[in-house]
Amino acid sequence: EPEVTQTPSHQVTQMGQEVILRCVPISNHLYFYWYRQILGQKVEFLVSFYNNEISEKSEIFDDQFSVERPDGSNFTLKIRSTKLEDSAMYFCASAFQSGANVLTFGAGSRLTVL
Amino acid sequence: KQEVTQIPAALSVPEGENLVLNCSFTDSAIYNLQWFRQDPGKGLTSLLLIQSSQREQTSGRLNASLDKSSGRSTLYIAASQPGDSATYLCAVGEYGNKLVFGAGTILRVKS
Repeated sequence: EPEVTQTPSHQVTQMGQEVILRCVPISNHLYFYWYRQILGQKVEFLVSFYNNEISEKSEIFDDQFSVERPDGSNFTLKIRSTKLEDSAMYFCASAFQSGANVLTFGAGSRLTVL
Repeated sequence: KQEVTQIPAALSVPEGENLVLNCSFTDSAIYNLQWFRQDPGKGLTSLLLIQSSQREQTSGRLNASLDKSSGRSTLYIAASQPGDSATYLCAVGEYGNKLVFGAGTILRVKS
């Protein structure tokens, strides 16, 4: 069964460092998403991406965050200068269509900021 | 702003019991509702998706219902097994596939 692949599974970084989380969505999917889950809290929407541009972003997704689909297969989330509060599990998801479709989530990348 | 609430927060049952997990949401203008399973430290596995026009969906021992007008959904698990132990998340689908999640119900099925 097709799956969404995320790397790394766990990254530890120092506060202020740049981090890039990578995702390979399902090959025929057109809509891409990042969600995050701070330990013990709800899963939160960060950003949606379609046709090489951001469709929607949450209040969390400030200027420190950016997304990119650099090569037609990868979908990346960059955090420019990490803060302690960025420590969380980051989930990538993809869907074939918008609206009524099931999102397929990756296994997540755990980011720990020290 | 959509708020999703799940009750109970945690549930412990003996193996073989039937159980019901509850989800409520504040804004009935939804596209769909999804139930996910999350194992500790793992990703999100979609269990059932109910479109806004549907009343229920079934998959094996799982049945999910949706009452959009009252802002409620239930996930029914029949004949629970220890392997069902996990956190169950309810998520409401809004425009553009944006999902709003509840905090989850932590289920423990004792053998």
